[in-house]
Parts: sequence; C-alpha cells; structure tokens
Amino acid sequence: NAGVTQTPKFQVLKTGQSMTLQCAQDMNHNSMYWYRQDPGMGLRLIYYSASEGTTDKGEVPNGYNVSRLNKREFSLRLESAAPSQTSVYFCASSEPGQGQYFGPGTRLTVL
Amino acid sequence: ELKVEQNPLFLSMQEGKNYTIYCNYSTTSDRLYWYRQDPGKSLESLFVLLSNGAVKQEGRLMASLDTKARLSTLHITAAVHDLSATYFCAVDGKTSGSRLTFGEGTQLTVNP
Repeated sequence: NAGVTQTPKFQVLKTGQSMTLQCAQDMNHNSMYWYRQDPGMGLRLIYYSASEGTTDKGEVPNGYNVSRLNKREFSLRLESAAPSQTSVYFCASSEPGQGQYFGPGTRLTVL
Repeated sequence: ELKVEQNPLFLSMQEGKNYTIYCNYSTTSDRLYWYRQDPGKSLESLFVLLSNGAVKQEGRLMASLDTKARLSTLHITAAVHDLSATYFCAVDGKTSGSRLTFGEGTQLTVNP
C-alpha cells in the first residue's frame, strides 16, 4: 500500500517549457487535490477533483491545467512554465471527514 | 472567503516546557485538521477534529476544537527536540466540500 505517489521528485525547467506532474493513490479515495507550497505561505490549492470525472479550480489555478484520468490518477500540467511557478507541489487524496493524505512532493525550479 | 490564522508563526522553546499553538478561522466549520511537516518532507496527519469540544491526544501533543469560538489549539507538554517541525492547521469550510484552507504554519524549534 504505497498511499499517494508523485513523479518526478525534482524537475528543472526553462521558462516557456511544459511538463506534467503525475499523481496516483491506491486508497480508493474519491477526492484528489493539487497544492503548491511557497516559503511562508502555507499550502495553496491549485485544483481539486471531488470525484472521478470532475475538476474544479482552487485558489491559484492560473497557468495550470489538470486531468482526472481515472479514480487513481490526477495529473497537473504546466503549459508554459514561468519563474513564478517555482515551488514545491503536493498531491493529496481524501475521503470526507478523514483528512487528506499527501504525496512526497515535487520540487520544481523554473529558470 | 475562509481565512485561517495561526499564531505564533515562529516558536522557539526549551525542552521540558509547555506551550500552545492557536488556530483561528473566519467562518463556520466543525472539521479541523492538524498536520506536521519536517524540513524537506511532506505533510503528516496528526489530528482530525470533527465536532465542537473534540479533544485528541497523542504523546506530548493534544489538540482541541471550539467551533463556537472558531478556535483550535495544539498544546505541547514537556517539549522534546523531536517535536521540532512546522505545524499546520487546516479547516474544511462547510461550503467547500472537502476542500481545506491551510494556516501559514507554526515553525517550532525545541532547544536542548
């Protein structure tokens, strides 16, 4: 039982490049989330998916797109990376009332 | 818009001392969560508080929830160095389903 997994762990991009962050969970959770964490700002929600087939914007969605591929997988895409998107990205999953389980994070640097 | 405020943001304390971290939030909710994050690591769930008056304890940490005051506390008893980490509270606003709004985090350093 791996919980929530994320790939890659580290990534360096040049401004304007695109990439997709992958997330998968094996806990059969309905809801999945993408956050970014910047120093001194806690976690901010980018997008979430309450259930398979649905996605909704969070607090900071600009510059990102998501795909809920199936119940297990939820990907985050940066179409044209900008230095302001340098951050640590966390994926999480949950069932109502249970709190969220977080993946190990992806450390992204955009030059 | 739901706002979650923690204080203090930075806390340096000596081993053996007691202290409390406060988490205030701006709108009605009866679901609050506490997480721990070690440097360079992910978030680990500590406590799930699902009703007014809920109290949970694990080792030297105890969390409580007062939904009327919109306040949760994380009390540290006889701190030890291993408790050094950043602690986040997160609130599930009633209108947001299972979306959480996080506080900024309290960076705790326990000195020998």
